[in-house]
Amino acid sequence: GESVGLHLPTLSVQEGDNSIINCAYSNSASDYFIWYKQESGKGPQFIIDIRSNMDKRQGQRVTVLLNKTVKHLSLQIAATQPGDSAVYFCAENPGGSYIPTFGRGTSLIVHP
Amino acid sequence: DGGITQSPKYLFRKEGQNVTLSCEQNLNHDAMYWYRQDPGQGLRLIYYSQIVNDFQKGDIAEGYSVSREKKESFPLTVTSAQKNPTAFYLCASSGLFNEQFFGPGTRLTVL
Repeated sequence: GESVGLHLPTLSVQEGDNSIINCAYSNSASDYFIWYKQESGKGPQFIIDIRSNMDKRQGQRVTVLLNKTVKHLSLQIAATQPGDSAVYFCAENPGGSYIPTFGRGTSLIVHP
Repeated sequence: DGGITQSPKYLFRKEGQNVTLSCEQNLNHDAMYWYRQDPGQGLRLIYYSQIVNDFQKGDIAEGYSVSREKKESFPLTVTSAQKNPTAFYLCASSGLFNEQFFGPGTRLTVL
């Protein structure tokens, strides 16, 4: 089946830098996307979502960008903090389906 | 507090033994899911249920079984037919817009 993938498995940044995590999706029918944060040994936490009728959505220190033309999703974290260190993965939801597809994840490492 | 709980947090299984993982939610969600997570891999769907008394196989259902007798509960049994059950198991439920909320997970280890 179609899948969601990530360009970089590991991203290392310095505290205070901005981080960008990317995700490519392949199902053109997907109309809802979510970014999750998963700390070691814990369940994934919802960070931010975006629908296909939007290009950009902002939260607290996080921004998600959606480029439907190239089927690309990104998560931007401003002023990255050590507490942001985790695995981040995206999920896509094809319209009308209960079953999302998850990417493998990118490990974000924030150095103090 | 609304949320999803899973128990136990750690579980050990002997060869040939069936074990059951608990998942409870008080979010009033209709749909619930079980995923398996292995190191360095994405979430793989085991079973899902869209409504009480109904459930469907996911991508890796072999060796697992579920029940959905109550809206709040979706237990997963790992049977002896599952040859490589050591993994991190995640339960989730989905809300109005199909966003998934996850429990804290159960780490299962075969002795």
